[in-house]
Amino acid sequence: LAKTTQPISMDSYEGQEVNITCSHNNIATNDYITWYQQFPSQGPRFIIQGYKTKVTNEVASLFIPADRKSSTLSLPRVSLSDTAVYYCLVGVLSSGGYQKVTFGIGTKLQVIP
Amino acid sequence: GAGVSQSPSNKVTEKGKDVELRCDPISGHTALYWYRQSLGQGLEFLIYFQGNSAPDKSGLPSDRFSAERTGGSVSTLTIQRTQQEDSAVYLCASSSPTGTSGRKWGELFFGEGSRLTVL
Repeated sequence: LAKTTQPISMDSYEGQEVNITCSHNNIATNDYITWYQQFPSQGPRFIIQGYKTKVTNEVASLFIPADRKSSTLSLPRVSLSDTAVYYCLVGVLSSGGYQKVTFGIGTKLQVIP
Repeated sequence: GAGVSQSPSNKVTEKGKDVELRCDPISGHTALYWYRQSLGQGLEFLIYFQGNSAPDKSGLPSDRFSAERTGGSVSTLTIQRTQQEDSAVYLCASSSPTGTSGRKWGELFFGEGSRLTVL
């Protein structure tokens, strides 16, 4: 399983774009990259997933360079409600989902008014 | 149900007692995961089920921990002779073998967790 490294914490002002980078140097050919968001007292929830290049949805964008050894989650114009912990996961999709999904400590994003 | 359901939401027990935590996954989800999250920490993987079998039990911290899943649905995590260091939020997640209702294939759906406090 590819190990991931991401910053422990980040601060941002409201309205700014936030980029959180995750390193996964040992990513395997079949691995996908997924980001989750966790608010206090709640379970994590899926944000975005990608394999290569760029993926965008209504919540965020995910940028993955050609070598796939890192990925960057981009949150446009954050608000106070985006204050949460963000997890980067790397793993293999199987018929029932990931064989094993390991979360790191995540990045605690604090949005400041 | 519409989402992953966990019970109890809160459990306070005395050291040495046994506890059972229950997870009711989303109907049709074949994969089920248990995680533990201590205060201010990340998620610690405990065990993964594919159907009723558990191909990966590597995260169970000791032989006091066990889990089972019956009928490919409900799962129970049992902690015997609880210790104070077992205090944490225990989270359950399930995932679908195929994308349904616009959901992403392989996406984990988490419950709200069971908060265990061992006195």
